[in-house]
Amino acid sequence: QVQLVESGGGVVQPGRSLRLSCAASGFNFDTYTMHWVRQAPGKGLEWVALISFNGKHDYYADSVRGRFTISRDNSKSTVYLQMDSLRTEDTAVYYCVRKEGGTTSPNYFDPWGQGTLVTVSS
Amino acid sequence: DIEMTQSPSSLSASVGDRVTISCRASQSIINFLNWYQQKPGVAPKVLIHGASSLYGGVPSRFSGSGSGTDFTLTISNLQPEDFATYYCQQSFSTPETFGQGTRVEIK
Repeated sequence: QVQLVESGGGVVQPGRSLRLSCAASGFNFDTYTMHWVRQAPGKGLEWVALISFNGKHDYYADSVRGRFTISRDNSKSTVYLQMDSLRTEDTAVYYCVRKEGGTTSPNYFDPWGQGTLVTVSS
Repeated sequence: DIEMTQSPSSLSASVGDRVTISCRASQSIINFLNWYQQKPGVAPKVLIHGASSLYGGVPSRFSGSGSGTDFTLTISNLQPEDFATYYCQQSFSTPETFGQGTRVEIK
């Protein structure tokens, strides 16, 4: 079945780095745009970044641009989120999501991974 | 960026009630509007996509409507498993933004 499994979360000090991974299975990974969405404790959902199916295009939320880098390895069906210069406000559950649907027709996030918790604290 | 505003932020309802949640976009998003349900400790899951298309396996008591800037999620005959938080999301342009969420609680 279609599945996304995140890993790499943990506790990290402000200013340090962390890399999240998301392993995909059950679908043709190299044909889908992939995204990261995060959710701070007790808060709503915030879109973080996306990467095109071939890895040539990426986009970031203003809150992480210049600090986070999304990448993918289609040979491993894995998408990554490199998080540098972490801040306390980056504390959140990070979800890996697949974008279903076309670019010129309505599209949506499905499925979602189980999420991985990143805690930035001294 | 397109701002998504949901109302109400929370509501209390009883099993069997009809519940309506509104979502307004700061500019036209045509029908690039999705609804997600999230239960505590679990990832969100899609209920409605393209404003009114029911995702496979989602009960027919869920329905979506609207276009342009104003959208509605309706849950008819509310069931115990429907108590959760609901988010709208626009997929018209990047960054893809979410509403702040509506928590549906048991009265």
